[in-house]
Amino acid sequence: KNEVEQSPQNLTAQEGEFITINCSYSVGISALHWLQQHPGGGIVSLFMLSSGKKKHGRLIATINIQEKHSSLHITASHPRDSAVYICACKMDAGGTSYGKLTFGQGTILTVHP
Amino acid sequence: NAGVTQTPKFRILKIGQSMTLQCAQDMNHNYMYWYRQDPGMGLKLIYYSVGAGITDKGEVPNGYNVSRSTTEDFPLRLELAAPSQTSVYFCASSRRDGREALHFGNGTRLTVT
Repeated sequence: KNEVEQSPQNLTAQEGEFITINCSYSVGISALHWLQQHPGGGIVSLFMLSSGKKKHGRLIATINIQEKHSSLHITASHPRDSAVYICACKMDAGGTSYGKLTFGQGTILTVHP
Repeated sequence: NAGVTQTPKFRILKIGQSMTLQCAQDMNHNYMYWYRQDPGMGLKLIYYSVGAGITDKGEVPNGYNVSRSTTEDFPLRLELAAPSQTSVYFCASSRRDGREALHFGNGTRLTVT
């Protein structure tokens, strides 16, 4: 079982719909990242969270440390939001964990016009 | 600011050949990382560096080498290329280890035949 699990693996939506992508992790973390990757493209950092909630435009990310769960929400989705969304966790394993981000397998989002 | 620059974008190698993937960043970040991304899999850490002159192995270092002679540059060397090294490679940097936004290069798509 992966330490970082994302759901759903695939998500199809109609333009304008509200979208939620979930990320669950199994051990303590010090930070959680949400990343976006367009088809054939590079990877862009959307959010870095250690607690609470962050908002940027139509994107909202939340994290519940006690429940070991984070969600990425997209309001008023648009076809240009079609991409792979990746959750990555900085595991809280002390000073020997430099560079150790554990990545989820990604959620493929397709938004139809 | 160019951010993180990776070259080349594409490369085809024959089995047993060697090559160097270049990565440079102009943000004065101490932390730099090399990841590989295989289809359907999460990103895997190959090597990382916490500053000039300091590098260490990640999860999948076999068949690769790195050096970090300057803060800006973090090249990845493939010796004796094998088909198992066919993948997309991403270089990334950050100001704080996993606790601030990651900045990714556009990736290098490598095929070994």
